[in-house]
Amino acid sequence: EPEVTQTPSHQVTQMGQEVILRCVPISNHLYFYWYRQILGQKVEFLVSFYNNEISEKSEIFDDQFSVERPDGSNFTLKIRSTKLEDSAMYFCASSGALAGGLSSYNEQFFGPGTRLTVL
Amino acid sequence: LAKTTQPISMDSYEGQEVNITCSHNNIATNDYITWYQQFPSQGPRFIIQGYKTKVTNEVASLFIPADRKSSTLSLPRVSLSDTAVYYCLVAAAYNNNDMRFGAGTRLTVKP
Repeated sequence: EPEVTQTPSHQVTQMGQEVILRCVPISNHLYFYWYRQILGQKVEFLVSFYNNEISEKSEIFDDQFSVERPDGSNFTLKIRSTKLEDSAMYFCASSGALAGGLSSYNEQFFGPGTRLTVL
Repeated sequence: LAKTTQPISMDSYEGQEVNITCSHNNIATNDYITWYQQFPSQGPRFIIQGYKTKVTNEVASLFIPADRKSSTLSLPRVSLSDTAVYYCLVAAAYNNNDMRFGAGTRLTVKP
């Protein structure tokens, strides 16, 4: 069964450093997402991406964040100048199989997450 | 976006049927109801989706009354491995951007 993969599984960084979190969505999906989950809290939407551009972003997704699909397979989240409060689990997801796919249209497939720890 | 309300937590015992109800009073005509499950340190996983009446798959059933202002996720004969957080989401049809997770219901299954 196809799955979303994320690397690294755990990233430790110093406050003020830049980090790039990487995701490989399911190959025939069209929509890509990033979410974060602070320990013990709910899953928070950050951004969605379609057709090589951001289609929606939350109030959390400020100028500190950026996303990119540098090639046909990877989807990255860059966090510039990390802050202590950026420590969280970051999940990538993808959805929207091409016409004829078996998945429910709104079903999002999540990766295993990257745990980001900012010291 | 339709706001959803569901219990913060529920306890059950192995072998019991568990029903988790979600309220979504301002659901729109084009909105679908989707449930996700999340285990600790894992990403959410799709369980079931429906628009009205009843939907059943190999994992769960989803009951939606005619007014669609609520929905009930039914897990038959739960086991310890069903201990997880269950999220109810309401999203517009064919709008993959329109999903927000609430606090979810933390289900604890006891032996």
